[in-house]
Amino acid sequence: AQSVTQLGSHVSVSEGALVLLRCNYSSSVPPYLFWYVQYPNQGLQLLLKYTSAATLVKGINGFEAEFKKSETSFHLTKPSAHMSDAAEYFCAVSVPGGGADGLTFGKGTHLIIQP
Amino acid sequence: DTAVSQTPKYLVTQMGNDKSIKCEQNLGHDTMYWYKQDSKKFLKIMFSYNNKELIINETVPNRFSPKSPDKAHLNLHINSLELGDSAVYFCASSHIQGVANNEQFFGPGTRLTVL
Repeated sequence: AQSVTQLGSHVSVSEGALVLLRCNYSSSVPPYLFWYVQYPNQGLQLLLKYTSAATLVKGINGFEAEFKKSETSFHLTKPSAHMSDAAEYFCAVSVPGGGADGLTFGKGTHLIIQP
Repeated sequence: DTAVSQTPKYLVTQMGNDKSIKCEQNLGHDTMYWYKQDSKKFLKIMFSYNNKELIINETVPNRFSPKSPDKAHLNLHINSLELGDSAVYFCASSHIQGVANNEQFFGPGTRLTVL
């Protein structure tokens, strides 16, 4: 079975600073990886996904993530944080033929932006 | 205009009651899901349906039953509600069954509180 670990339940950065949210996965087969964002009292919105094409994936709102097989990581970054980035971020994994397409989520990282 | 909608947004009820949450998607997707998000924000898949056929049934109590009257709807029925059922329930849909890298679109969530 696959799993996801997100290091740091809370991350605080200053506005304009680099955002780095960490995600490590475990999977017996090549995985597909996703980052979702959840704003307060809202559903989840896809930021970006890795589907075995380019290892550096660009998403919406200036976010990007790099798939590193050797490190089993898929960390999310953004060069310059904006106040509107404050939200809960979830890393998720799925595998071909596994769980009939259900996503396995990490426990989430709450991103706080300091003015 | 809403892609995935859920009703109600909030549901407060007494222990032992039976309740339903409705979900509709207008994206033409063929697979729909229910996820549970607990008080610590942890998301876990409960069910998925493809063309009215259950294709995932995680270890959830049989008090929970998904019902799909058609491809655009997946309702969640809960019998004999318990305190531990209090959570936010998210409906989601995706386009192609059997494609694990397919994006899932989430509804806004239903916050269930059992007193």
